[in-house]
Amino acid sequence: SSELTQDPAVSVALGQTVSITCLGDSLITYYASWYQQKPGQAPVLVIYGKNSRPSGIPDRFSGSSSGNTASLTITGAQAEDEADYYCHSRDSSGNQYVFGPGTKVTVL
Amino acid sequence: EVQLVQSGAEVKKAGESLKISCKGSGYTFTDYWIVWVRQMPGKGLEWMGIIYPGDSDTRYSPAFQGQVTISADKSTSTTYLQWSSLKASDSAMYYCARHDGGLRVMYFRHWGQGSLLTVFS
Repeated sequence: SSELTQDPAVSVALGQTVSITCLGDSLITYYASWYQQKPGQAPVLVIYGKNSRPSGIPDRFSGSSSGNTASLTITGAQAEDEADYYCHSRDSSGNQYVFGPGTKVTVL
Repeated sequence: EVQLVQSGAEVKKAGESLKISCKGSGYTFTDYWIVWVRQMPGKGLEWMGIIYPGDSDTRYSPAFQGQVTISADKSTSTTYLQWSSLKASDSAMYYCARHDGGLRVMYFRHWGQGSLLTVFS
């Protein structure tokens, strides 16, 4: 079982806003990073740290954190944002790394 | 440009051994940890272990400790993931990625393209 939990699936209407959450005790101490994965492709980093985006990632992606919860928000979702999204951080001991189980985002 | 290039797809028989590779370029190979990640068909990402090529310090996820061996060769800027006796359940896509950040902020900006392993019994 994962020490980070995510909702299995969410849907969002085209152009609307959706937030994906990641819960875990370790998130009180460590920041989460977020990865987008489309079928047949390697994961892509979309958010890390407090709210940093790698170059090339659209600014409709943003991150936030409060207590034991990290969130990824897509503001104005596009069809190409349909993908699986994984959070990642350390586990509660701080000695291991762990991925969340992933959230499938469907853009309607 | 940072690149991680992984070895190609493999089809192996259960019980055989295998070593897959991940070659880094475009940066100082010995300065960054490299992580290995498993993705079984239709499933999520699983952190397997991590190695610091500078001194080969290696940490394993408890789920993979004793099941695989992670190593690095500084002379060729390559990290390896190795099995001594494959099982059908090892069939998966395997990714390497470069660890960036530090203690509180950690992330994987650069990923290999993945190595698909199929093990038949």
